[in-house]
Amino acid sequence: DTGVSQNPRHKITKRGQNVTFRCDPISEHNRLYWYRQTLGQGPEFLTYFQNEAQLEKSRLLSDRFSAERPKGSFSTLEIQRTEQGDSAMYLCASSSTGGGGYTFGSGTRLTVV
Amino acid sequence: EDQVTQSPEALRLQEGESSSLNCSYTVSGLRGLFWYRQDPGKGPEFLFTLYSAGEEKEKERLKATLTKKESFLHITAPKPEDSATYLCAVQIRAAGNKLTFGGGTRVLVKP
Repeated sequence: DTGVSQNPRHKITKRGQNVTFRCDPISEHNRLYWYRQTLGQGPEFLTYFQNEAQLEKSRLLSDRFSAERPKGSFSTLEIQRTEQGDSAMYLCASSSTGGGGYTFGSGTRLTVV
Repeated sequence: EDQVTQSPEALRLQEGESSSLNCSYTVSGLRGLFWYRQDPGKGPEFLFTLYSAGEEKEKERLKATLTKKESFLHITAPKPEDSATYLCAVQIRAAGNKLTFGGGTRVLVKP
């Protein structure tokens, strides 16, 4: 197991297009998180899954954002009708029920032009 | 409102010049305080978790301490490879499992 894997690493899209990112967590981790990070800022929580259930979603997450985790394995984050303000690094992390620190992936950098 | 504030925003050190980073928090019901290191273009890398005031943890040249209102990350005799952004985050009992991050401290260690 090589850690949390995110694809693609970079995505450039035109405003108004839909994009989808994928996250493969550490296999024995049942918790999965999505965060967004803009330049010079700390990561900002978006949503959280325990197994396949989405247990928490940030109030900052607009209806254009949706996340899924079918079968409690990998997760996808979709952004519909992208806007320039969506440009950011999207980070995925996973952890086990026992707690401790999250393990983050390397992120997907989204640029909306 | 729960807040996490890190200072300074940026720190330039000479190799071997020890220093401390501060993370102050205003939260109710702290479950844990986390320190991460982040290199440019990469995701945060876990360093430490602190759970109660008075707790200390060490890893190589880094030592993290926790009080009831703040945490310090001490860097002893830093080397250029310690250059990175250091992030702290809090986990709150009433807020499930999410982490609330501070803005980070960018550390540059010059040889």
